[in-house]
Amino acid sequence: DIQMTQSPSSLSASVGDRVTITCRASQGISNYLAWYQQKPGKVPKLLIYAASTLQSGVPSRFSGSGSGTDFTLTISSLQPEDVATYYCQNYNSPLSITFGQGTRLEFK
Amino acid sequence: QLQLQESGPGLVKPSETLSLSCTVSGGSISNSSHYWGWIRQPPGKGLEWIGSLYYGGSTYYNPSLKSRVAISVDTSQNQFSLKVTSVTAADTAVYYCARLPVGFWFFDYWGQGTLVTVSS
Repeated sequence: DIQMTQSPSSLSASVGDRVTITCRASQGISNYLAWYQQKPGKVPKLLIYAASTLQSGVPSRFSGSGSGTDFTLTISSLQPEDVATYYCQNYNSPLSITFGQGTRLEFK
Repeated sequence: QLQLQESGPGLVKPSETLSLSCTVSGGSISNSSHYWGWIRQPPGKGLEWIGSLYYGGSTYYNPSLKSRVAISVDTSQNQFSLKVTSVTAADTAVYYCARLPVGFWFFDYWGQGTLVTVSS
């Protein structure tokens, strides 16, 4: 199994801050990496796939980068509605779908 | 607009079988461009992929759950189903159904989720 490790597990930031979340795969997965946002009590929402492709309707302040084993999700200017838990997901094969443990983003 | 809706018992006894259905509306489950899948999330914890299915019947399962899980499709009802056998308290979770684009194993549409509690 490919393990996905996110860091940090939680972070606090202020409105307008640039926020970066990291996801590391235990082995290379090319760019088969997706990011999701889950607001409290809500359904996960796809933000980014193929490591850097923004899903339709997602604000442009979200961006993704990386390839191989190291990936990042960046929020360029944090907004109040961005408080959520963020998950990365590996999908390099239909038998190897794994999620990171999540990063909880809160306001300072 | 595509919608997915989970349904099934909210309470299951230990050692019994958990059974859920996902009804797809606003689109056809027989669309050749998509797979359909199940994900679960224990209370306060992260996401776990359970398995995925194509309308033609091919399935993929999480190796850690494969011995206890079965996913099937009913194209006439535009729905697919999940069975988990021999459940324990560790199977208590919100269960989501979702859609996957063929060849891309991420989840672009999700149901609202249904909480299943395993307890006597």
